[in-house]
Amino acid sequence: RKEVEQDPGPFNVPEGATVAFNCTYSNSASQSFFWYRQDCRKEPKLLMSVYSSGNEDGRFTAQLNRASQYISLLIRDSKLSDSATYLCVVNTFSSGSARQLTFGSGTQLTVLP
Amino acid sequence: GAGVSQSPRYKVAKRGQDVALRCDPISGHVSLFWYQQALGQGPEFLTYFQNEAQLDKSGLPSDRFFAERPEGSVSTLKIQRTQQEDSAVYLCASSPGQYNVLTFGAGSRLTVL
Repeated sequence: RKEVEQDPGPFNVPEGATVAFNCTYSNSASQSFFWYRQDCRKEPKLLMSVYSSGNEDGRFTAQLNRASQYISLLIRDSKLSDSATYLCVVNTFSSGSARQLTFGSGTQLTVLP
Repeated sequence: GAGVSQSPRYKVAKRGQDVALRCDPISGHVSLFWYQQALGQGPEFLTYFQNEAQLDKSGLPSDRFFAERPEGSVSTLKIQRTQQEDSAVYLCASSPGQYNVLTFGAGSRLTVL
């Protein structure tokens, strides 16, 4: 089983739709969580951090459920420019000070006109 | 520099050749990661440096892969006797400290023929 698992996608949605992505992680010692966005043939870029209380940034809402080891991303009123691959990322500190940032395989979103 | 710089951006190697990929992180960034991203997959962890110390190299797929960061700034990922399965994008990322979000470089796309 992979450490970070995401919806396989792809998701094809019309403009204006609401779409939700899910992610689960296996290491209960994980400390911080992020969603990254990756456009085709580009590097991943931070979309938002995910906090236990849930957080919102405009049309984007991220939720974390530590008990279920589950992270979600909700995109409201989707735009054509939201088309990208969304990567769930989990940060864990192992023994000593080694830091592990583990990525899911990504979920591809295409917003259709 | 303003961002993480990687070179070369594209590299074509014949099977069996050695390659060296360079990463120039943001000045002053302590943490540096290397990731391998195959087509359609999320980035897979290779190795992590904190300053010049390589704290985790558990993701390096074989002893043909070697990474160094001798002065705690520029890092080089070397792949010896390249194989076709080494074809991927190699991403470098850095952050100011252990707890900060990563900034990625544009990647080095390696194609092994």
